[in-house]
Amino acid sequence: AQSVTQPDIHITVSEGASLELRCNYSYGATPYLFWYVQSPGQGLQLLLKYFSGDTLVQGIKGFEAEFKRSQSSFNLRKPSVHWSDAAEYFCAVLPQGGSEKLVFGKGTKLTVNP
Amino acid sequence: EADIYQTPRYLVIGTGKKITLECSQTMGHDKMYWYQQDPGMELHLIHYSYGVNSTEKGDLSSESTVSRIRTEHFPLTLESARPSHTSQYLCASSATMGLAGAASTDTQYFGPGTRLTVL
Repeated sequence: AQSVTQPDIHITVSEGASLELRCNYSYGATPYLFWYVQSPGQGLQLLLKYFSGDTLVQGIKGFEAEFKRSQSSFNLRKPSVHWSDAAEYFCAVLPQGGSEKLVFGKGTKLTVNP
Repeated sequence: EADIYQTPRYLVIGTGKKITLECSQTMGHDKMYWYQQDPGMELHLIHYSYGVNSTEKGDLSSESTVSRIRTEHFPLTLESARPSHTSQYLCASSATMGLAGAASTDTQYFGPGTRLTVL
């Protein structure tokens, strides 16, 4: 079955440490890939997306993600985490075809320790 | 940044009341969506629309209804609210290929959400 997996429900890092959030998908063809961030009580903000081309994608707030076709992964990274990065992060995929719907992972909650 | 608005942001209401959650976007997007999200949980698609006069039910069954009379407006209505409807409701929109530049095609932009509490 088609699915999106975020293996880590909750991650805690210290401020200034590096961060990697994992995302794996299960689809026949490479879908469009997205990372969103959600602060408490807020909507989702788009961090970055991958449609095609360069497999390393730069986003807002210093985030980047790398698409690895062989691993069906689209992991989100940040070299140095700030306290304001504490939030919920959602990976999402959109199967190519135009009429498909966005499928979200269950999310990873990031806690940042001072 | 996307221009998509939701009102009210917070709503506390008694059981049995009729409510309408508003969602508007100024980007000219043809597709619009409603998601339901319980605290700390994933998003579930409850309704979507691919254009004016087009509405479809999503993956999660919902007692709510929607309408799409204008491109920019996609309200969600609960005829009789119940405590089980307590949740956060998120609206989103996106553009179909050909109606927008490649950079924004098929990318969903979200509103700030409405947190609904039914007592």
